[in-house]
Amino acid sequence: EAGVAQSPRYKIIEKRQSVAFWCNPISGHATLYWYQQILGQGPKLLIQFQNNGVVDDSQLPKDRFSAERLKGVDSTLKIQPAKLEDSAVYLCASSLAVGAVRTLSSYEQYFGPGTRLTVT
Amino acid sequence: GENVEQHPSTLSVQEGDSAVIKCTYSDSASNYFPWYKQELGKRPQLIIDIRSNVGEKKDQRIAVTLNKTAKHFSLHITETQPEDSAVYFCASPGVTSGTYKYIFGTGTRLKVLA
Repeated sequence: EAGVAQSPRYKIIEKRQSVAFWCNPISGHATLYWYQQILGQGPKLLIQFQNNGVVDDSQLPKDRFSAERLKGVDSTLKIQPAKLEDSAVYLCASSLAVGAVRTLSSYEQYFGPGTRLTVT
Repeated sequence: GENVEQHPSTLSVQEGDSAVIKCTYSDSASNYFPWYKQELGKRPQLIIDIRSNVGEKKDQRIAVTLNKTAKHFSLHITETQPEDSAVYFCASPGVTSGTYKYIFGTGTRLKVLA
């Protein structure tokens, strides 16, 4: 079975430039997550989609970050303008779960390879 | 808000010994508890998970135990091998506004010494 795909794998930009990341989840997975993982830390959820709707974006810095999942399949995450502290690995993950509380839906998350962003 | 505490932050064991990593969560509605292994430069990989309706689950050398009363769950690795060296993360889906979101622990760097 094909896994979660992400591109690019690496990106180096200067501060104040913009960058976009792409994610294609596992076929049939309704829920898609974008995480930011700073070196030495655990993944931090930026935004969570269920199909093409946003479930949670409370930790997304909305003044510079944006994300969309227009057709409920693949997704893009954009940063504009980038700051030095945005240097991190951006992980996309997907799961079958539809987000309802206490359901028996599968919660397992599968991660993509990530995009390593360096802002200089 | 919801949080997940993970201990220890680093753990060194001799090859063949056991390793135990513990996580404590705050959201009593959490009902799914996965553990991920992340090798350097690679993506997190799910290694074992447990639902809230069971207290323990084993898969060869790894096991997870859950104590819902105390709100903690633990990863147990027996007969450790050098390839077990990695960073391990626990996660718990916190409940927010009727839906859930994953909250990850801060990670445990496990070193298995040959």
